Amino acid sequence: KAGVTQTPRYLIKTRGQQVTLSCSPISGHRSVSWYQQTPGQGLQFLFEYFSETQRNKGNFPGRFSGRQFSNSRSEMNVSTLELGDSALYLCASSPGGGLDEKLFFGSGTQLSVL
Amino acid sequence: QKEVEQNSGPLSVPEGAIASLNCTYSDRGSQSFFWYRQYSGKSPELIMFIYSNGDKEDGRFTAQLNKASQYVSLLIRDSQPSDSATYLCAVRVGHDMRFGAGTRLTVKP
Repeated sequence: KAGVTQTPRYLIKTRGQQVTLSCSPISGHRSVSWYQQTPGQGLQFLFEYFSETQRNKGNFPGRFSGRQFSNSRSEMNVSTLELGDSALYLCASSPGGGLDEKLFFGSGTQLSVL
Repeated sequence: QKEVEQNSGPLSVPEGAIASLNCTYSDRGSQSFFWYRQYSGKSPELIMFIYSNGDKEDGRFTAQLNKASQYVSLLIRDSQPSDSATYLCAVRVGHDMRFGAGTRLTVKP
C-alpha cells in the first residue's frame, strides 16, 4: 500500500509570491491534516479536511488555505509569502479522523522563502 | 500554557541505558496519546500509542499514561545509537492531533 505522497519535495519562492502544495493520502484514508514544522516552534497544526470539508483549523492567518478533492487528495495554498513561512510542511492522513486514530505522515515539502 | 509540553532536552544517555521522555498536556478532554519518532530530515513515524491509564509495552518501548496528572511518558530500555532522534508527544483533542515541541535524544555508544 502506497504511503502518503507529498509534492513537491523542495520549493524555493520569493516574498510576495504564492505557493500550492499537494498531498495524496493513503488509499482509503479520508482525513488529511496539514502541519507546519519549524525548528523553534515544532509541529503546528494548520487544518484538517474530511470528505472535502474543513473540519478544524489552527491559529494561522488567512493567507494559509486548503481544500480537499473528492478523491481525498488535498492541496494547501499560501498566498503573499513571508520570510517566516519558510518551514517544512507536513501532510498526514488517517482513515476517518476518529478520536483514537493514528496519523501517517508524508515526507513533507521543504519551503524556502527568500 | 502550551497544550502539549515536553521536557526540553536535549537528552543524552549511554548505550544500554533507559531513556525517559516526559510529556504533559493541558486539555482534560484528551482521549488518545501518541509518541512519534523523527530522525533528522525525515518525517515523524508512529512508535507507540496509548488510550487507557497505566502502562503499555511494545518491545523495548513502554508508554505510561496518567490522566489524573495529565502526564504521558515513554521509556526506552536498552537504548541503542539507532534510537537517537527527536521524540514527539502527540495528543488527540477532538479531531485534532496536537504535538509537543519534541525532545532530542542522543544515545552514545
